[in-house]
Amino acid sequence: GQNIDQPTEMTATEGAIVQINCTYQTSGFNGLFWYQQHAGEAPTFLSYNVLDGLEEKGRFSSFLSRSKGYSYLLLKELQMKDSASYLCAVREEDNAGNMLTFGGGTRLMVKP
Amino acid sequence: SQTIHQWPATLVQPVGSPLSLECTVEGTSNPNLYWYRQAAGRGLQLLFYSVGIGQISSEVPQNLSASRPQDRQFILSSKKLLLSDSGFYLCAWSRPRASYEQYFGPGTRLTVT
Repeated sequence: GQNIDQPTEMTATEGAIVQINCTYQTSGFNGLFWYQQHAGEAPTFLSYNVLDGLEEKGRFSSFLSRSKGYSYLLLKELQMKDSASYLCAVREEDNAGNMLTFGGGTRLMVKP
Repeated sequence: SQTIHQWPATLVQPVGSPLSLECTVEGTSNPNLYWYRQAAGRGLQLLFYSVGIGQISSEVPQNLSASRPQDRQFILSSKKLLLSDSGFYLCAWSRPRASYEQYFGPGTRLTVT
């Protein structure tokens, strides 16, 4: 089984940088995903990490440390439209169905 | 390009009534398909997944069932809804290999009264 933890809520200021952490415990590991979900909408894919290190994609970056069971999503130059929930999800090894286990999500509120 | 459709978008049903939610995917073949439920302010709970026609795996025992009558069609059903079945139901698809992300449909908001 898997256990995924992320903070429930965070608040940040427009133009600032925010880091959303995710820790996981799994019997096997084959990738970590970050999704963004605006209220009442479907999640949309942000990033994927399978090797240690930082993946950068525009204003968003995601970091993974497999030895620590730890990832973070970094959002730079925050905009009001970044107010959303951010979901961390882990895929286990030997997973023929490509199944993901999701954390509870972090609700980010960006204030002017 | 690939698209995923779900309907209906919203649904209000009384306790004890049946349920049928439909999901279809276009622009790909032999996708993996998934049904998730999301309670208000919570994360996603995987309900069912399918790697092919007629192949359904259940992750959570409950009064829901799923079927995949065609390659790109996934249906979530219940014979008798419970109040606890209320939530946001999301269908997702992924390519049939282990290194691909999942793509979500627009979701169905179900309220059981």
